Amino acid sequence: EDQVTQSPEALRLQEGESSSLNCSYTVSGLRGLFWYRQDPGKGPEFLFTLYSAGEEKEKERLKATLTKKESFLHITAPKPEDSATYLCAVQPRNSGYSTLTFGKGTMLLVSP
Amino acid sequence: KAGVTQTPRYLIKTRGQQVTLSCSPISGHRSVSWYQQTPGQGLQFLFEYFSETQRNKGNFPGRFSGRQFSNSRSEMNVSTLELGDSALYLCASSLTGEGINIQYFGAGTRLSVL
Repeated sequence: EDQVTQSPEALRLQEGESSSLNCSYTVSGLRGLFWYRQDPGKGPEFLFTLYSAGEEKEKERLKATLTKKESFLHITAPKPEDSATYLCAVQPRNSGYSTLTFGKGTMLLVSP
Repeated sequence: KAGVTQTPRYLIKTRGQQVTLSCSPISGHRSVSWYQQTPGQGLQFLFEYFSETQRNKGNFPGRFSGRQFSNSRSEMNVSTLELGDSALYLCASSLTGEGINIQYFGAGTRLSVL
């Protein structure tokens, strides 16, 4: 069975204090790994897609990396507006074109 | 370009009732997926529609059903509501449903079952 585990469940940082969020996955063939950001009362907002081990993508203060078993979302010098829940999802190769299996997310709070 | 629109945003129902939620995908997107989000289980896949056909289905009881119209708009229906159906229901659209799909989500419908 495909599984996605995110850690930590919650993370509190001071503004400017860099850290990383982890997403471990077990999947029978990976088509793609996705990172989303979700603000309270809103739907998930797409951040990145990673396709193969060794791939990296960056957007402002965020950098996502991928290995064969996990992905990291590095947050450099975070600001309060980065506070949100970050969701990781995998698209297995054998479970239909659009099916995503999500982790439960990491709730990030950045204090000024 | 307008995003994914879900209506209504909030619903309060009582046990045993049924409910219909609506989703309008991004213009040009033909694949629509539905997810249930709860604090305990996170986001769980319900079903996916493409060209008016259900292509994939998650592990939910038959009380959960959906359909897609020729303009790609989709509805999901939950019959005989239970307390445990209280959740945020999210709709996501993607372009073709083939290859790598980036799914774009709506703001969701918050369903409360009393």
